Amino acid sequence: QVQLVQSGAEVRKPGASVKVSCKASGYTFTDFPINWVRQAPGQRPEWMGWIDVGNGNTKFSQRFQGRLSFTGDTSANLAHMTLSGLTSDDTAVYYCARPPYSGSFLPFHHWGQGTLVTVSS
Amino acid sequence: EIVMTQSPATLSVSPGERVTLSCRASQTVRSNLAWYQQKPGQAPRLLIYISSTRAPGIPARFSGSGSDTEFTLTISSLQSDDSAVYYCQQYNNWPPGFGPGTRVEIK
Repeated sequence: QVQLVQSGAEVRKPGASVKVSCKASGYTFTDFPINWVRQAPGQRPEWMGWIDVGNGNTKFSQRFQGRLSFTGDTSANLAHMTLSGLTSDDTAVYYCARPPYSGSFLPFHHWGQGTLVTVSS
Repeated sequence: EIVMTQSPATLSVSPGERVTLSCRASQTVRSNLAWYQQKPGQAPRLLIYISSTRAPGIPARFSGSGSDTEFTLTISSLQSDDSAVYYCQQYNNWPPGFGPGTRVEIK
């Protein structure tokens, strides 16, 4: 079955960067994009962007332009999200998510378990 | 950017009752609307997409309807396991955005 397993919780100081990983299994990794979604405590989910791991194309939410990057490692079925210039507002659970069918980017059918990123001095 | 709103904010319902949740978009999203269920400490779970298509494995008591700017999620007979926050999401325009959610509590 489709599984997305994410790396563990992280604590960073303001101004630092964080890298979150998402390992996919149960499907052909290059057939589906990976979206990244975050959810601050008590807030609604927020879409951050996606990566087409088949060709490396990316699309980002304007809110994160300049401090967000995505990479994909097709040999290991891994997707990575790196967010730099962290502030306390970036404290959230970060999710990777996959659409329900090939050829689409949305909505989000399969989700990772989430990675808590805490930004604190 | 399309703004999504949901009503009510909170709902307290007895098991077996019918539940209707509303979602409104600030401009048309055609039928590109999804519903998610989220329980504490868990990732959101896709219930409905393309406004009315149930995701695989979702019980038939969940149904969706609507188009353009007005959408509804109906739970035909509420079960105790349905206590959660329900979000709608439009994915017709970039960026795809979520509503603020409706919390469903069991009486």
